[in-house]
Amino acid sequence: GENVEQHPSTLSVQEGDSAVIKCTYSDSASNYFPWYKQELGKGPQLIIDIRSNVGEKKDQRIAVTLNKTAKHFSLHITETQPEDSAVYFCAATNALTTDSWGKLQFGAGTQVVVTP
Amino acid sequence: DAGITQSPRYKITETGRQVTLMCHQTWSHSYMFWYRQDLGHGLRLIYYSAAADITDKGEVPDGYVVSRSKTENFPLTLESATRSQTSVYFCATGPGLYEQYFGPGTRLTVT
Repeated sequence: GENVEQHPSTLSVQEGDSAVIKCTYSDSASNYFPWYKQELGKGPQLIIDIRSNVGEKKDQRIAVTLNKTAKHFSLHITETQPEDSAVYFCAATNALTTDSWGKLQFGAGTQVVVTP
Repeated sequence: DAGITQSPRYKITETGRQVTLMCHQTWSHSYMFWYRQDLGHGLRLIYYSAAADITDKGEVPDGYVVSRSKTENFPLTLESATRSQTSVYFCATGPGLYEQYFGPGTRLTVT
């Protein structure tokens, strides 16, 4: 099955700097890669996702890049703000087969702390 | 528009008791999921459902039972709770093959 590794486990950045979180996956058939943000005491919130037919996707200060050859994908947050402080999870799945659909394999998470 | 809700938000129970966690969504999404979140393990899928009366096992289904008689509800039952089932449980729902939207979670403690 799919295995997703996420690095780093913790990330401290100064407000205004950029943050980058990297994930690698093992199953070359995976084709959907979402990122979730989880604030303390809340459920994970989908912030951006990318499908395997796209190399990069941006949404304001957030971007995700995908390298299918190397089997890794990254989350980039620019101009970080204190409200970006949270735990971020990457995930992967093959969304087009009934055996694996819905079975998101999550990374272990990255605690991001943005200091003013 | 509450979207997806879970109840209770907090629950303490004793070993061996039956516990049911509720999940309700107002979007009429076909797909619903149950995850548990534990330190060191991240989020792991327990069960999921593609539609009413259709359910399937995830990564860690042992000790759990689900049902889905109505599209909007997806209860998770621990038939005989064990301490290893102490965790935070999240329900999620999605409209199709991709996005999943999570509820606020239920923190369950088994003593």
